[in-house]
Amino acid sequence: AQKITQTQPGMFVQEKEAVTLDCTYDTSDPSYGLFWYKQPSSGEMIFLIYQGSYDQQNATEGRYSLNFQKARKSANLVISASQLGDSAMYFCAMREPRGKFQFGAGTQVVVTP
Amino acid sequence: DTGVSQDPRHKITKRGQNVTFRCDPISEHNRLYWYRQTLGQGPEFLTYFQNEAQLEKSRLLSDRFSAERPKGSFSTLEIQRTEQGDSAMYLCASSYLGATNEKLFFGSGTQLSVL
Repeated sequence: AQKITQTQPGMFVQEKEAVTLDCTYDTSDPSYGLFWYKQPSSGEMIFLIYQGSYDQQNATEGRYSLNFQKARKSANLVISASQLGDSAMYFCAMREPRGKFQFGAGTQVVVTP
Repeated sequence: DTGVSQDPRHKITKRGQNVTFRCDPISEHNRLYWYRQTLGQGPEFLTYFQNEAQLEKSRLLSDRFSAERPKGSFSTLEIQRTEQGDSAMYLCASSYLGATNEKLFFGSGTQLSVL
């Protein structure tokens, strides 16, 4: 069963604008971790941000913030002040209690000048 | 710390041949994962290890696939009797169980092309 859902296959955003990437997840476990990774065209997977299921505050890492809505089981990524170098695939992932990580299908972001 | 290393970077093989990939995780990491990724898709879980123990193998994974981590350090992924549908990027990742925000560190992947 699909546990991570990313409904936006692709998005265009103008430079310096903010963009929100959607992610919903499905689990009955109370303990889990949520992650966002970036994969540029070069192929490497780059960790961006982490949110634990018990964390009370939304995670932030520089221009990245995670909008965590536990009751809705959503973990949207917000990228502020987009840069051309932000063009990439973005994957949402969930770490299950036993340690397995599941990934969504990804969202392709293209930043335009 | 040199990060997660995968070898080879690229592999071209003929259908029916066996192939083996190697992954060297970050040295202090006790968990190691294998994923498969096709173009435009997210990484698909294959299997993972904690030290030398294989904790889970994807039910979608054919019996032609096998993975080992004999001494709890490096791991190998073998595909027997390759098929064209096996063509994909095979990603290895490692993590440290016990870290507060345990996260995956990925290697650069092995791109497999089955002709």
